[in-house]
Amino acid sequence: GNSVTQMEGPVTLSEEAFLTINCTYTATGYPSLFWYVQYPGEGLQLLLKATKADDKGSNKGFEATYRKETTSFHLEKGSVQVSDSAVYFCALSLNNAGNMLTFGGGTRLMVKP
Amino acid sequence: DGGITQSPKYLFRKEGQNVTLSCEQNLNHDAMYWYRQDPGQGLRLIYYSQIVNDFQKGDIAEGYSVSREKKESFPLTVTSAQKNPTAFYLCASSLHRDRGGSYNEQFFGPGTRLTVL
Repeated sequence: GNSVTQMEGPVTLSEEAFLTINCTYTATGYPSLFWYVQYPGEGLQLLLKATKADDKGSNKGFEATYRKETTSFHLEKGSVQVSDSAVYFCALSLNNAGNMLTFGGGTRLMVKP
Repeated sequence: DGGITQSPKYLFRKEGQNVTLSCEQNLNHDAMYWYRQDPGQGLRLIYYSQIVNDFQKGDIAEGYSVSREKKESFPLTVTSAQKNPTAFYLCASSLHRDRGGSYNEQFFGPGTRLTVL
């Protein structure tokens, strides 16, 4: 079956620190990959995506590269801010599954001033 | 403004009662979804609907029911058969995706937190 595995949180960083949140996947076929962000008490928002191997998704200073050889899609940011504190979800969608998403368990990020 | 609304934001239910969570979208999206989120866990799909008057079970449909009588509305009923209904419920919608076509982003509502007393 299809699955997404993320590093467990919480991840606690000081402001301006470098962020990496690991994400690996297993899938039958060639998925599209996504990172969603959930701010406290809210729904999810799409942060970035990549639809094929070696693509790099980027948004708001966050980046992730689709690595087919390691089945990974790690999220990175060079300098985090307090406002980045949220829960981050890695997800995949297969081409033959409509817009259905398979989510990882989520990683809570806490950024301290 | 276009978007997805869920109501109520907080809902309390006594054991043995059915409750219905509302989800409305004015994005003219074909597909709608219901997810359940438990603390520290990812989202699990309850039901989804790709077109009016049609819906399919997701991974954890037992104890839940839905209807899709209108394109913009996809209410979820949590029945008394659901053994552990306390959770955060999220509704989402997207355009329909043709086979082999590009992924269409799912847009999420703000969620409803259900607590069973």
